[in-house]
Amino acid sequence: SAVISQKPSRDICQRGTSLTIQCQVDSQVTMMFWYRQQPGQSLTLIATANQGSEATYESGFVIDKFPISRPNLTFSTLTVSNMSPEDSSIYLCSVESRSSSYNEQFFGPGTRLTVL
Amino acid sequence: AQSVSQHNHHVILSEAASLELGCNYSYGGTVNLFWYVQYPGQHLQLLLKYFSGDPLVKGIKGFEAEFIKSKFSFNLRKPSVQWSDTAEYFCAVTVYNTDKLIFGTGTRLQVFP
Repeated sequence: SAVISQKPSRDICQRGTSLTIQCQVDSQVTMMFWYRQQPGQSLTLIATANQGSEATYESGFVIDKFPISRPNLTFSTLTVSNMSPEDSSIYLCSVESRSSSYNEQFFGPGTRLTVL
Repeated sequence: AQSVSQHNHHVILSEAASLELGCNYSYGGTVNLFWYVQYPGQHLQLLLKYFSGDPLVKGIKGFEAEFIKSKFSFNLRKPSVQWSDTAEYFCAVTVYNTDKLIFGTGTRLQVFP
């Protein structure tokens, strides 16, 4: 398994500002993912953070709004840019651990974002 | 596009009652199936997973799930719930050889003593 930490754990932000969320893993991992969990809804994949290359975004998510960095195999950041109240969500980082031929994802504690 | 459906949004049970949470997915090919649990104030944890082999898989804390390919289902069961099982439960699927987890909408379980 992997131990994942996220900073900040929660924040309240003003409309129009940006927030950068950090994700730190205690071991080197190839695949890191960013998810969003809006109130009352399930988790939705935002993007896959690839080390050494640009992130791969899912339909409905764009780099200008959610820029991602992945400088090494244990760290990634997600920025929520030009925030609006609709961005209020829990943002989760996850990593993939390959055990034999199986892929498992482990999740961080999440960052609860409220945009006023 | 692949999707996951969880039929029960909110389940309320008394301790010792039996539990079954429904999960159906839409994809005709090979899938990997997961149940995650999120206890109040805690992060998502893997409860159990199915990749291949015996369709009845056992997870932590007495949970089990059965993969029925013909029904595209992966229902979660526990014969006797405890108050500590109060949590949100998410079913998820990855299409074979991909890394993308597709989640269901979750089921909130409340267990009363």
